[in-house]
Amino acid sequence: DGGITQSPKYLFRKEGQNVTLSCEQNLNHDAMYWYRQDPGQGLRLIYYSQIVNDFQKGDIAEGYSVSREKKESFPLTVTSAQKNPTAFYLCASSARQEAGRFQPQHFGDGTRLSIL
Amino acid sequence: GEDVEQSLFLSVREGDSSVINCTYTDSSSTYLYWYKQEPGAGLQLLTYIFSNMDMKQDQRLTVLLNKKDKHLSLRIADTQTGDSAIYFCAGLYSSASKIIFGSGTRLSIRP
Repeated sequence: DGGITQSPKYLFRKEGQNVTLSCEQNLNHDAMYWYRQDPGQGLRLIYYSQIVNDFQKGDIAEGYSVSREKKESFPLTVTSAQKNPTAFYLCASSARQEAGRFQPQHFGDGTRLSIL
Repeated sequence: GEDVEQSLFLSVREGDSSVINCTYTDSSSTYLYWYKQEPGAGLQLLTYIFSNMDMKQDQRLTVLLNKKDKHLSLRIADTQTGDSAIYFCAGLYSSASKIIFGSGTRLSIRP
């Protein structure tokens, strides 16, 4: 079945350590997104990519990095510069957004990151 | 800037209708969405409405859009225990290729 796979489901990070969250999609979508979800808050956009080898910062990109070397994959690295990384991270993908056309975002099941 | 607001909690009796409300600030949104999130899972798209529509109905779901008041609502008829979740409204803005999400409304069902 087509979909988005995020791994791992749970991840623990030590102080000063970088960790990488995986996101893979087989929907042939051009666009991919990373969101952070904190309790009682909506989703905040970290980074997004509309095409391979290109990505843009979202609203809260500081302390995070991404790459988009393949269409199917959009890994997110949470660096040691991110001082409050404990959150639920959601990856999404969609066909490229075009004016006047509806392109829904499809979400993975998320990765919960905690600090040890 | 763009902002989307929702109340945080709603409790309804099983079998009653649920109405979840959302207000937004930027009238340039082209599409408005409702997503459902069950515990520990990602978001599932429930329905959407194009900004030139006033109403959309899909089985038990009815979306109403009041563009003048910048108000969006989701009505769930005959609410069931399986409807317990967090519901997010969101808007797609033509000025940017991104969706702005509300903070989510947690719907709980009482017997």
